Amino acid sequence: QTVVTQEPSFSVSPGGTVTLTCGLSSGSVSNNYYPSWYQQTPGQAPRTLIYNTNTRSSGVPDRFSGSILGDKAALTITGAQAHDESTYYCLLYMGSGFWVFGGGTKLTVL
Amino acid sequence: EVHLLESGGGLVQPGGSLRLSCAASGITFSSYAMSWVRQAPGKGLEWVSTIGGYGGATYYPNSLRGRFTVSRDNSKNTLYLEMISLRAEDTAIYYCAKNLGGAYCGGDCPYPIDYWGQGTLVTVSS
Repeated sequence: QTVVTQEPSFSVSPGGTVTLTCGLSSGSVSNNYYPSWYQQTPGQAPRTLIYNTNTRSSGVPDRFSGSILGDKAALTITGAQAHDESTYYCLLYMGSGFWVFGGGTKLTVL
Repeated sequence: EVHLLESGGGLVQPGGSLRLSCAASGITFSSYAMSWVRQAPGKGLEWVSTIGGYGGATYYPNSLRGRFTVSRDNSKNTLYLEMISLRAEDTAIYYCAKNLGGAYCGGDCPYPIDYWGQGTLVTVSS
């Protein structure tokens, strides 16, 4: 079974830029995996940030951007703010209606 | 504005069954595939199921197929998840989610999630 990989944790300074990645245990992520990204703070439902690699969801600031970097999907946050401190999940489409979430990256802003 | 409201969660004994509901508003319900996603306490998100807009196609991870059944009533703008033979490891918050498209999903349904409900807690314990 294919595993979707994310960094377990990451740290960024306020105002800094961070890139989180989403890969596969076997193979490369491409647009054909329709990568999407979700932000979740403790006790809250997830919030959609990015879908279809690089399309921002309604109301998401342009500090958040998605791309393919090498063989992985990537979420870049520029000008990190304290309230960006959250867990970020990627979701990949495996074909035939199947989806798999990554394990999530806990982002600390300090 | 899209609004998804889950209900039906609660405490159930191991081996028991439960049906979750999700009432949708603010969308043309039948035009979109809908999904269920769960999150066990302290764990990450897990995709549970997806159903096409007109209900003909359903999808599950192999680990849940046979115990979980997703359905929808487009006349009531409501999504359902029937769960049987529940186990302690099914304890989780269950989120209802709208997909980006998918009125006519068939063998393929590549529409990611764009809206989420607030979730309903299912606890499986004796």
